[in-house]
Amino acid sequence: EIVMTQSPATLSVSPGERANLPCRASQSVSSNLAWYQQKRGQAPRLLIYGASTRATGIPARFSGSGSGTEFTLTISSLQSEDFAVYYCQQYNNWPLTFGGGTKVEIK
Amino acid sequence: EVQLVESGGGLVQPGRSLRLSCAASGFTFDDYAMHWVRQAPGKGLEWVSGITWNSGSIGYAASVKGRFTISRDNARNSLYLQMNSLRPEDTALYYCAKDVTFDSSGNDYWGQGTLVTVSS
Repeated sequence: EIVMTQSPATLSVSPGERANLPCRASQSVSSNLAWYQQKRGQAPRLLIYGASTRATGIPARFSGSGSGTEFTLTISSLQSEDFAVYYCQQYNNWPLTFGGGTKVEIK
Repeated sequence: EVQLVESGGGLVQPGRSLRLSCAASGFTFDDYAMHWVRQAPGKGLEWVSGITWNSGSIGYAASVKGRFTISRDNARNSLYLQMNSLRPEDTALYYCAKDVTFDSSGNDYWGQGTLVTVSS
């Protein structure tokens, strides 16, 4: 099984600042990686798939990069509604696996 | 509008069984893979199982393999998860999720989840 690692578990950022959220795979997943946002009490929301393709309706301030084992989700200028937990997920191999998540909190 | 509505959750004793259902609408169900993802209270997301559009490929997390069975009925636009030999660690909110493609490419729509509690 491919292990996905997200570190740090918590990232403190000021509104308007840029946030870079890393995600590492234990072996190559090519570009078969997705990012999700989850707010308290809500279902996850797909942000990015194919490592860099924004899902429908996702603002341009969200971008994804990377391939192989190293990936990054970048939020260019944090808005109040962006404070949430973010998960990466690989879908290159079954079983699919999620990272443990990074919580983005207000600094 | 895409809708996914899960049902079948509840309180069950360890060792017993439960069957979850997911009713899908608003899209051509048999064009897409479908998945079950769970989230234990206060914890992260865990992929449980997935099934391609024609049931040709099925996968399970190691934690549920041999105990859970995923299936779909394309005529009824429905996804199912048969859960046997339930354990306390299976306690979680279970989400039904639609894939972006017929195979496996990320989940673009999610239901609101159905809560499964395994306890004596």
